[in-house]
Amino acid sequence: GQQVMQIPQYQHVQEGEDFTTYCNSSTTLSNIQWYKQRPGGHPVFLIQLVKSGEVKKQKRLTFQFGEAKKNSSLHITATQTTDVGTYFCAGHGNQFYFGTGTSLTVIP
Amino acid sequence: GAVVSQHPSRVICKSGTSVKIECRSLDFQATTMFWYRQFPKKSLMLMATSNEGSKATYEQGVEKDKFLINHASLTLSTLTVTSAHPEDSSFYICSTGSNQPQHFGDGTRLSIL
Repeated sequence: GQQVMQIPQYQHVQEGEDFTTYCNSSTTLSNIQWYKQRPGGHPVFLIQLVKSGEVKKQKRLTFQFGEAKKNSSLHITATQTTDVGTYFCAGHGNQFYFGTGTSLTVIP
Repeated sequence: GAVVSQHPSRVICKSGTSVKIECRSLDFQATTMFWYRQFPKKSLMLMATSNEGSKATYEQGVEKDKFLINHASLTLSTLTVTSAHPEDSSFYICSTGSNQPQHFGDGTRLSIL
């Protein structure tokens, strides 16, 4: 069946360092969405990418959708303690699936 | 953006109790709502899709008789965990949106003793 995997599962960074999480789907996706979930909270929508090779930026966050529409990445430049949380990708292939998530810890 | 209200936020009850969780869309009409289950430090697992005025669509492996879903109006979907047991303890969360970005309720943390 369709699977959406993310790596790494966990990432600890020093405040100010960059961070990247990668999302890989076993099937082609019609779109990719990214969500952030703070500890104890619910997922909050960040962005949606639709086009092959699309790149979008939100301040220090850069999102990419692969040319084959099977992978995506989220890159955070100069992390801050407010970036702490779990980042999920989610996409529509045969069905709608959430990725396995990457938990980010930022050390002050 | 869309606002989704989910309650209760936390339930602690004895084994064998049935628990109803409500999910309301506050500022728009939702023909479809999604119910997820999330284990600690894990991803969201889609349990079922509730459809206003018709039967819910359950994902493979989810017991329909165990997790009863009702979507009687365009603003309310409910999930009832029937005769809950400790293994049903989890974080349950609803959302709205289909092919569009989803807006989530705050979730319900269910603990069965």
